[in-house]
Amino acid sequence: GESVGLHLPTLSVQEGDNSIINCAYSNSASDYFIWYKQESGKGPQFIIDIRSNMDKRQGQRVTVLLNKTVKHLSLQIAATQPGDSAVYFCAENMDTDKLIFGTGTRLQVFP
Amino acid sequence: GAGVSQSPSNKVTEKGKDVELRCDPISGHTALYWYRQRLGQGLEFLIYFQGNSAPDKSGLPSDRFSAERTGESVSTLTIQRTQQEDSAVYLCASSPGTSSYEQYFGPGTRLTVT
Repeated sequence: GESVGLHLPTLSVQEGDNSIINCAYSNSASDYFIWYKQESGKGPQFIIDIRSNMDKRQGQRVTVLLNKTVKHLSLQIAATQPGDSAVYFCAENMDTDKLIFGTGTRLQVFP
Repeated sequence: GAGVSQSPSNKVTEKGKDVELRCDPISGHTALYWYRQRLGQGLEFLIYFQGNSAPDKSGLPSDRFSAERTGESVSTLTIQRTQQEDSAVYLCASSPGTSSYEQYFGPGTRLTVT
């Protein structure tokens, strides 16, 4: 299930299940979006990106969906593994070379 | 190849002291960014350097914060007269800067002001 933590929303899933992490972005003019994964004690790491002329993009076990009508971005992780446990951030490009990051969602994977 | 490196990894300082945080970007990356991340929170943009252009300082929270970059290499973030609310992880990222918005992050410097 999904619960709200003290600072970050948290999504708890069982190993092997699919995860869906959601993000609402702020600017309808944004034309580029990225998902980052941040493990404890490390810097964010690029997962997947998508441009505004697409509504879906797939990577290895991950899919990003973009709904420009409602300014919504989602990250789907197939067959979630314990190594997927991390905080996930979406980011939008509002100006050249500058990304605006969302507040993040903590993903907890249980065996 | 080498990624973005930051030093020190941890810094504990007394309130009122000045600190300098260092970032070594990926070689050839023209864009460099500094962010602040408070415990359990998202990334707060501080400052952005692109080549020889004037830096975008719009995210610096006060005049106690400043940053410099030498050409397209090392950057230092300086916090003067540190306050307890400055305690956070300071992340640096670099980007090729042209036709790519992907930013590559360093491991961060954890700053604790006592």
